[in-house]
Amino acid sequence: QSALTQPASVSGSPGQSITISCTGTSSDVGGYKYVSWLQQHPGKVPKLMIYEVSNRPSGVSNRFSGSKSGNTASLTISGLQAEDEADYYCISYTSSGTRVFGGGTKVTVL
Amino acid sequence: QVQLVESGGGVVQPGRSLRLSCAASGFTFSTYLMHWVRQAPGKGLEWVAVISSDGSNSYYADSVRGRFTVSRDNSKNTVYLQMNSLTSEDTAVYHCARQEADYWGQGTLVTVSS
Repeated sequence: QSALTQPASVSGSPGQSITISCTGTSSDVGGYKYVSWLQQHPGKVPKLMIYEVSNRPSGVSNRFSGSKSGNTASLTISGLQAEDEADYYCISYTSSGTRVFGGGTKVTVL
Repeated sequence: QVQLVESGGGVVQPGRSLRLSCAASGFTFSTYLMHWVRQAPGKGLEWVAVISSDGSNSYYADSVRGRFTVSRDNSKNTVYLQMNSLTSEDTAVYHCARQEADYWGQGTLVTVSS
């Protein structure tokens, strides 16, 4: 039950696009459509940004999009804004019925 | 509106037990599976456990399997986390979250210390 692999940090300038990767195995990310992305600002509760690989909950900006290829899921933030500066986590269903998080990625807006 | 409110956290000595509760409102609790997720100070999110909507199935992270037990009472709209044999590694804020992690409670802090 190893954590999914995310880059520790990603940065971009306002208006740019950035992509955060989340790499697992065929027993988690690669095997199921159940990959979600969460945003967490310091001291705040996590917020769901993407579920089932590419679906956006109501109220989430369409600047956030998700995709998956093989064992790697990705979150893309387009038109980067200052408010997007936060920690981002992926989470996946696994073949044993458990869930597993990525280690988290700190997004910095330059 | 959907609300999840955790309680039961506190300071506990190593080896002792604690039971957390998560009271839900604003949705049909009995139709959703529920998660427990924790976050140690300054660390990332760690998934802990999940329980099915009717309570018949539950799954655990390797780090807590055999020590923690998740249960629910759909008549009380509440999910529980019984934590036994606690160690300092269990010190964290514990959140409950609804099925798709679309709603989270504010969390309750568990500190394991002598």
